[in-house]
Amino acid sequence: SQQGEEDPQALSIQEGENATMNCSYKTSINNLQWYRQNSGRGLVHLILIRSNEREKHSGRLRVTLDTSKKSSSLLITASRAADTASYFCATETSGSRLTFGEGTQLTVNP
Amino acid sequence: NAGVMQNPRHLVRRRGQEARLRCSPMKGHSHVYWYRQLPEEGLKFMVYLQKENIIDESGMPKERFSAEFPKEGPSILRIQQVVRGDSAAYFCASSPGTSGAQETQYFGPGTRLLVL
Repeated sequence: SQQGEEDPQALSIQEGENATMNCSYKTSINNLQWYRQNSGRGLVHLILIRSNEREKHSGRLRVTLDTSKKSSSLLITASRAADTASYFCATETSGSRLTFGEGTQLTVNP
Repeated sequence: NAGVMQNPRHLVRRRGQEARLRCSPMKGHSHVYWYRQLPEEGLKFMVYLQKENIIDESGMPKERFSAEFPKEGPSILRIQQVVRGDSAAYFCASSPGTSGAQETQYFGPGTRLLVL
C-alpha cells in the first residue's frame, strides 16, 4: 500500500448531511494537505495542517490530524450538491514533493 | 492575479511523436512541480524545479522525459517518442519559494495528453 490512502473510495450522501473522509499514511510528515478535484479539472487546495497541529477549520471544513495513528480526516458539514468532487489527501515529507492518495469520490445528491 | 497557466489543455499525439507541455507559474512564484495523473488514480510526483535548476527529479521516468524551468519563460515538460502509456493528465503546480518547506502548492488546470 502507499503513502496517503483515502477511505472510503466512494461516498454518496444526501444534501445537508455531513461527509467524512479519512486518510492514512506511513512515514513521518511535515504537513498534510487536502485537495478537491472536480471531474476533468485541476486541483483546488482546501486546507493544510502541519504535523504539530491537531485540528483545523475552514468554513464548512474540519480537518484533524493524528500523527500517532498516522491518519487524518476531512469533515464537510451541511453538504451541498456543489461539493460533489474527488477529494485527495497529500502528504509532504521532505523536499517539498507531495505524495497523493487515490482519492475519495464524493457524491452529494440533491 | 492569474493562477497557474498550462497549455495546451488538450494534446493529441501519435506514437513516436514529441509532446511539449507548458506551465507558467503564478506571478511571484519561483518553484514549479509536475505531477501525472492516470485515469481514476491520484497524482504522482514527477519533478520539482526552481529557476534554471532541477531540485528533485526522482519521479521522472529515466528515458524520454525531461523538464526545464528557464530563467525566462514557462516551465516545459517534454516527452519524446510518446507511447500509449503516456496518455494521462499532467498537472503543474507552483509555490512562492520564499518560506522554505510547507508552502501551499497551487495547481494549474492540467494538460490532458492522448497518445493514439
